[in-house]
Amino acid sequence: AQKITQTQPGMFVQEKEAVTLDCTYDTSDPSYGLFWYKQPSSGEMIFLIYQGSYDQQNATEGRYSLNFQKARKSANLVISASQLGDSAMYFCAMREGGTSYDKVIFGPGTSLSVIP
Amino acid sequence: DAGVIQSPRHEVTEMGQEVTLRCKPISGHNSLFWYRQTMMRGLELLIYFNNNVPIDDSGMPEDRFSAKMPNASFSTLKIQPSEPRDSAVYFCASKGQVNQPQHFGDGTRLSIL
Repeated sequence: AQKITQTQPGMFVQEKEAVTLDCTYDTSDPSYGLFWYKQPSSGEMIFLIYQGSYDQQNATEGRYSLNFQKARKSANLVISASQLGDSAMYFCAMREGGTSYDKVIFGPGTSLSVIP
Repeated sequence: DAGVIQSPRHEVTEMGQEVTLRCKPISGHNSLFWYRQTMMRGLELLIYFNNNVPIDDSGMPEDRFSAKMPNASFSTLKIQPSEPRDSAVYFCASKGQVNQPQHFGDGTRLSIL
């Protein structure tokens, strides 16, 4: 069963506008973590932001913020003031459990294109 | 600080040959993950280790794939014999404490002819 769903295979956004990339997840474990990664066309995986299941506030890192709705099991990434360099694949990932040896699995990704 | 180091960056070989991919995790990280990325299947977790011990290898596609971590600074992923459908980008990632993100290597782009 798919544990992480990213329903938008492709997205377009105008430069300088904000964009929201969706991520929903499925787990019965009360302790988990959610990550977002960016993969530009060059191929490297770049960590963007992390949200723990017990964190009281939504995570923010510069232009990235995470809209965490625990009851709905969603962890959407919001990118503000899009730049051309934001064009990339974006992956949502989940760690289940509260130990250092937890599995981390990835969603299918969303391709974001920023239009000048 | 050196990141996760993978070698080779590219590998092209004929089907039936043995392929060995190598990974050096970040010093001090105690978890190591091997992923395979293809257009059709996305990022698949193949196997992961904690303190050099394999924790979950349920993602390893079949017996042709094997992975080892003989010490904290080195891991290998071996395919024997290789087949064209094994062509993919293989990533190694390492991780420290529970809330820390994984750090990925640059990947090995494998082409089996």
